[in-house]
Amino acid sequence: RKEVEQDPGPFNVPEGATVAFNCTYSNSASQSFFWYRQDCRKEPKLLMSVYSSGNEDGRFTAQLNRASQYISLLIRDSKLSDSATYLCVVNPSGGGADGLTFGKGTHLIIQP
Amino acid sequence: DAGITQSPRYKITETGRQVTLMCHQTWSHSYMFWYRQDLGHGLRLIYYSAAADITDKGEVPDGYVVSRSKTENFPLTLESATRSQTSVYFCASVGLTSVSNTGELFFGEGSRLTVL
Repeated sequence: RKEVEQDPGPFNVPEGATVAFNCTYSNSASQSFFWYRQDCRKEPKLLMSVYSSGNEDGRFTAQLNRASQYISLLIRDSKLSDSATYLCVVNPSGGGADGLTFGKGTHLIIQP
Repeated sequence: DAGITQSPRYKITETGRQVTLMCHQTWSHSYMFWYRQDLGHGLRLIYYSAAADITDKGEVPDGYVVSRSKTENFPLTLESATRSQTSVYFCASVGLTSVSNTGELFFGEGSRLTVL
């Protein structure tokens, strides 16, 4: 089993809809979880961290399910500008930055 | 302006040639990284550095060499480029404790390398 797995998509979603996708991780000792966003031909940028209690930032909600070893990202009222690839990032060691493991990304396309 | 910059942004070279990709950051971040991104593989860590004169291998180090003589610079050298090294290369940096608190790696804009 790969360390971090994501459905590559693409997810084609109409503007205004709600979309959610998950990311599974294999190391049960993982302690840090993040979602990054990457626009086409651009560098990845941090979207949000994922806390044990779940967290929300505007239209975006991230959740962690330790029992089933997955994190999720939910986007409400999707905008055209949300079209991007969303990278799941897990730090298996819970420590140094060298341990960050990136998923291959989920491609989201918001359609007008 | 503060930030992390990579050069060149685009490079075409031939098999067997030496290529150096430059990375420069102005935040005095202790950690710096080189990743490559390929279709079907996502981001893979090539080398990283925890501080000046300290470097270590990542997941895919073969065929690459790095150095870190100054905190702000982290060049990546392909000593004898191969076609399989055609990729997009991203440099990133993070402060000593930032990643455990925020997970925020700061990436450069990428260097797109084609090896013919």
